[in-house]
Amino acid sequence: QQPVQSPQAVILREGEDAVINCSSSKALYSVHWYRQKHGEAPVFLMILLKGGEQKGHEKISASFNEKKQQSSLYLTASQLSYSGTYFCGTLNYGGSQGNLIFGKGTKLSVKP
Amino acid sequence: DSGVTQTPKHLITATGQRVTLRCSPRSGDLSVYWYQQSLDQGLQFLIQYYNGEERAKGNILERFSAQQFPDLHSELNLSSLELGDSALYFCASSALNYGYTFGSGTRLTVV
Repeated sequence: QQPVQSPQAVILREGEDAVINCSSSKALYSVHWYRQKHGEAPVFLMILLKGGEQKGHEKISASFNEKKQQSSLYLTASQLSYSGTYFCGTLNYGGSQGNLIFGKGTKLSVKP
Repeated sequence: DSGVTQTPKHLITATGQRVTLRCSPRSGDLSVYWYQQSLDQGLQFLIQYYNGEERAKGNILERFSAQQFPDLHSELNLSSLELGDSALYFCASSALNYGYTFGSGTRLTVV
């Protein structure tokens, strides 16, 4: 089942904050967040695992509510470089058999 | 360089033809995934391989097939191509419980 992302698009001024939400109708093992700039490949931002473990390599925070089957990505003090389309990907179970199902994306535009 | 290599970067071919897209995963990653992204669309999962074995299938057409070889590189074969198959095809690889690393993609144009 494809996760649902909201909002579909958001426009910010530099320095403003944004929250992107991702919800699933099925129990989740993990949630991934990716950013894709136009014409480029998606880039991994963060993974949130069942049980609370988080792994990421950028200064972007996220939350994962397992009971509500929801995740939120928090972008604070946005920079021009944050512009792009953000995708959440959900995994319903762990192990070697598991593929991410991606939401339709949230287009973020940061203006000077 | 993400560590995942996809070739070719661009491909223009005629309807009815067959093409092969190639992907070399990041060193150490056993899982390889193929995704299709049409214009302004999200990422549609096609197929997953893990250490040479097919593990999951998404909305992959019967005209499409894939395989993963002993050296872990993977190929996606698209046959009897139609105009609607024009898209960006991404390959990604991962280790268990880690994020996906995507290749730069192959842009397929069917004319």
